Amino acid sequence: KAGVTQTPRYLIKTRGQQVTLSCSPISGHRSVSWYQQTPGQGLQFLFEYFSETQRNKGNFPGRFSGRQFSNSRSEMNVSTLELGDSALYLCASGEVGTHNEQFFGPGTRLTVL
Amino acid sequence: GQSLEQPSEVTAVEGAIVQINCTYQTSGFYGLSWYQQHDGGAPTFLSYNALDGLEETGRFSSFLSRSDSYGYLLLQELQMKDSASYFCAARGNAGNMLTFGGGTRLMVKP
Repeated sequence: KAGVTQTPRYLIKTRGQQVTLSCSPISGHRSVSWYQQTPGQGLQFLFEYFSETQRNKGNFPGRFSGRQFSNSRSEMNVSTLELGDSALYLCASGEVGTHNEQFFGPGTRLTVL
Repeated sequence: GQSLEQPSEVTAVEGAIVQINCTYQTSGFYGLSWYQQHDGGAPTFLSYNALDGLEETGRFSSFLSRSDSYGYLLLQELQMKDSASYFCAARGNAGNMLTFGGGTRLMVKP
């Protein structure tokens, strides 16, 4: 099976702009989660989508949003970008089961200038 | 909310055994996962404990004590390629939401 893919891999934006990141999960996985990774805050959960519904949401402002399509692909959007949004955004897909294994994509490196 | 504590750095020599501890405080707890992340790479799954006890997968083992809110990852026969960051992560509900610890940077020396 192909792994989790994320596009784009690198992105440079300026403050105030908005950005959309895309994630294609492993075939058959219906759960897609998004995480933000920064040196200061570590890995932080953004949200999880399951069967096109947001199932869990982390503690991020409303500028961060996401959605999932019927083919399980997911997008996340960040509006009115701030310098502090510079981070590696990771997508993970998985199935809910006893082993709870999640498969991470390579991430999108977002730089906000 | 949830918080997980783990040491920030650990150094060990090749061939040795190292244990990385993780303590957690959670409002809901379904299980504890461990992930490995090499510099510039994505986290990769190592293990998951839902019940108390030891889970063994090759050179890696993971332990959980729910009564003590404590777990650890044990790495045996250390190899240079084990140099990486290791994260414990708590699953707080029936979904796939994970709360990660700050990560432990393991340096394996020859």
